Amino acid sequence: DQQVKQNSPSLSVQEGRISILNCDYTNSMFDYFLWYKKYPAEGPTFLISISSIKDKNEDGRFTVFLNKSAKHLSLHIVPSQPGDSAVYFCAASAHGSEKLVFGKGTKLTVNP
Amino acid sequence: DSGVTQTPKHLITATGQRVTLRCSPRSGDLSVYWYQQSLDQGLQFLIQYYNGEERAKGNILERFSAQQFPDLHSELNLSSLELGDSALYFCASSPTGTDSPLHFGNGTRLTVT
Repeated sequence: DQQVKQNSPSLSVQEGRISILNCDYTNSMFDYFLWYKKYPAEGPTFLISISSIKDKNEDGRFTVFLNKSAKHLSLHIVPSQPGDSAVYFCAASAHGSEKLVFGKGTKLTVNP
Repeated sequence: DSGVTQTPKHLITATGQRVTLRCSPRSGDLSVYWYQQSLDQGLQFLIQYYNGEERAKGNILERFSAQQFPDLHSELNLSSLELGDSALYFCASSPTGTDSPLHFGNGTRLTVT
């Protein structure tokens, strides 16, 4: 039972354009959501998070949007840069829970 | 550099053997997590320790065990290894364990032949 789903295994965009990565979840108890970026041969790196009391959080070129009614979140990267090419994981946790539940990841390729 | 150190980086062993993976958390972090990433899979939560005590358990096999020592480093022990145990094993740490981002090490790649 996959509680966090990233339905697009891969995404390719041109440098300078917007990258939109999507994530759906099924557990209504989730109230804290995170995005991680992973380069080959490295561990996942925390990128940005959002709690369920907000619907948007922005950090530089990265913005995460949360739609609780649809159980959907998205990560926008504007403008996309070749260095953003990596696998992006969506993760979620429920209040008081110790564990993060991860999606399977989306591989983003930004072409120069 | 996340500040989380995992050793060894690579491990190749035979079926039926036992291995130990080691993790040193970031300075000041009390919580340590272990995750497994198999081919084409997301990160699967195995187990969490907080200040030496087991705090949460995920899909960890009975052949696997872990502990966190007084100096807060953690070890994951995998025994009676099977081919399907081949995976990347990540350790992560956080200050408190709830509602805070996890910081991951670079993983140990285990290959069982």
